[in-house]
Amino acid sequence: EVQLVESGGGLVQPGGSLRLSCAASGFTFSNYEMNWVRQAPGKGLQWVSHISRSGSTIYYADSVKGRFTISRDNAKNSLHLQMNSLRAEDTAIYYCARGSLPDDASDIWGQGSMVTVSS
Amino acid sequence: SYELTQPPSVSVSPGQTARISCSGDALPKKYAYWYQQKSGQAPVLVIYEDNKRPSGIPERFSGSSSGTMATLIISGAQVEDEADYYCYSTDSSGNQRVFGGGTKLTVL
Repeated sequence: EVQLVESGGGLVQPGGSLRLSCAASGFTFSNYEMNWVRQAPGKGLQWVSHISRSGSTIYYADSVKGRFTISRDNAKNSLHLQMNSLRAEDTAIYYCARGSLPDDASDIWGQGSMVTVSS
Repeated sequence: SYELTQPPSVSVSPGQTARISCSGDALPKKYAYWYQQKSGQAPVLVIYEDNKRPSGIPERFSGSSSGTMATLIISGAQVEDEADYYCYSTDSSGNQRVFGGGTKLTVL
């Protein structure tokens, strides 16, 4: 069964850091590009970041550029999102998603990890 | 910045056809994708590349695209289809990846 499981979310103060992880199983992780997408409470979906199969090509939404870093470990079938200088507006559920389609669209999503930025 | 525009809500009776629109300037050149999100759950892909249906998605879900508008069509909507639906695409350069604001479908 294809599965993505996020971890690492929690409560953090403004200006703090958090590292999200996503464990992939049921497919050959190194063959797929990956995305992070977030959803603020009661709001819509927002694409956050994309990484190519090898990790050599990376894109970020303007709202997180310079603060977030996406990475992957193909040997461990894992995807990561290092989030620094967190702001209240970064509060959201963060989804890991497999980007197997054109235009970096995602076909399989994890269940999400909640990140709350508050003092 | 690039935007995709969806109606906030659509309401139909069970068995009727629901149509959810998504408008964007780059849609004549770019594919539209559609996601279903039920309350408290992760999004699920229901249509990709304008009109293709992933395995496991009921045949009542279909998609079309013409000009600057893409449409998700649910023929014979069921109560279990009540959810938020989001379109996704990119701008003409492929640099901006965006979701529409979402449409809440009510079936009752």
